[in-house]
Amino acid sequence: AQSVSQHNHHVILSEAASLELGCNYSYGGTVNLFWYVQYPGQHLQLLLKYFSGDPLVKGIKGFEAEFIKSKFSFNLRKPSVQWSDTAEYFCAVTAYNTDKLIFGTGTRLQVFP
Amino acid sequence: DSGVTQTPKHLITATGQRVTLRCSPRSGDLSVYWYQQSLDQGLQFLIQYYNGEERAKGNILERFSAQQFPDLHSELNLSSLELGDSALYFCASSPRTGNTGELFFGEGSRLTVL
Repeated sequence: AQSVSQHNHHVILSEAASLELGCNYSYGGTVNLFWYVQYPGQHLQLLLKYFSGDPLVKGIKGFEAEFIKSKFSFNLRKPSVQWSDTAEYFCAVTAYNTDKLIFGTGTRLQVFP
Repeated sequence: DSGVTQTPKHLITATGQRVTLRCSPRSGDLSVYWYQQSLDQGLQFLIQYYNGEERAKGNILERFSAQQFPDLHSELNLSSLELGDSALYFCASSPRTGNTGELFFGEGSRLTVL
């Protein structure tokens, strides 16, 4: 069965610090990969996605993620975080052309000014 | 605003009771997904419907059931409620099946079982 691991449960950073959130998945076949973000009091929304092609994908608000197939990883990065990035971040995976989007347990990011 | 509407936003009930959560997907979206978010389990996929038919099933308990109606809205029925069913229940929709696109989430229904 597919699963997603997010090893960082809670990350605290100061503004302008660099961010990297880890995501590893377990599935042997072709996958689609996603990062979703949930700002305080808001609904989940898509940050970026990878289906195929360039393994470095860019999303909204300056976020990017790199798919490393050999490591089954899809880490999220941002070179300089802002206070407004305070949110919970979820990595998710689905086997190609299936309907079950499996989420990791999420990483809570707190950015202090 | 994602375009996905969930009601009620908050619900408090007692153990043993039955509740129904409602979801209206974005206009034109045929797929509806239900997720349960709790502190200890994270976001758990429950079930998906596509154009009225069950498409995929996850960790949904037998006490829970769902359906999608001809107008594409969906309802999640939770019965014989237990304290552990307290959680945030999210509905999401997408235009198609095969999950080749993103999901659009509602703001959730927070269920508290006392």
